[in-house]
Amino acid sequence: AAGVIQSPRHLIKEKRETATLKCYPIPRHDTVYWYQQGPGQDPQFLISFYEKMQSDKGSIPDRFSAQQFSDYHSELNMSSLELGDSALYFCASSLDPGQGATGELFFGEGSRLTVL
Amino acid sequence: AQSVTQLGSHVSVSEGALVLLRCNYSSSVPPYLFWYVQYPNQGLQLLLKYTTGATLVKGINGFEAEFKKSETSFHLTKPSAHMSDAAEYFCAVSAVYGQNFVFGPGTRLSVLP
Repeated sequence: AAGVIQSPRHLIKEKRETATLKCYPIPRHDTVYWYQQGPGQDPQFLISFYEKMQSDKGSIPDRFSAQQFSDYHSELNMSSLELGDSALYFCASSLDPGQGATGELFFGEGSRLTVL
Repeated sequence: AQSVTQLGSHVSVSEGALVLLRCNYSSSVPPYLFWYVQYPNQGLQLLLKYTTGATLVKGINGFEAEFKKSETSFHLTKPSAHMSDAAEYFCAVSAVYGQNFVFGPGTRLSVLP
């Protein structure tokens, strides 16, 4: 079965650079979520999109932005990178409840960002 | 708002022993509850979920969990631990179909030979 695809899997950047992470949800899933997981930490919710509109916002820094495109893929853009941005970034997708979903999130393998 | 606590950031059990990972939640509305497992350098995989109905839910790899509303708990158990169960386990709660999806701090399970 198709899963959530994230790219790149690994990314190394210098401080103050920018980075873009991509997420391709499971086909027919209309909601995308972004999470940040620091070393030894639980995943922290950043932002989510439903039908290409922002649906919820968590602890996403102002330096970060995200969007969901017409094909439902999403991109997380990170600017002015700081050392503390080094983390594993997960994308997850889910199906609209009207389609019989029961709320679980399906996670990708994550994109590991290292800021030097 | 929802919140999740997991008692014990690190649990060690011997191979073949009972696994018990504790999860307590707080929710202002009837919750949806989940357990996810994360192996090193991998994504989160759903173990099991409680939405409505039967309070004892069975998941993959022999795990099960029981929703106890009176105790606001959703503890994860497995009768006999395997070495392959060593991983990080996250309990999560959501109020509405993936909205306000909140993770607990996680419990690292070590399985000793």
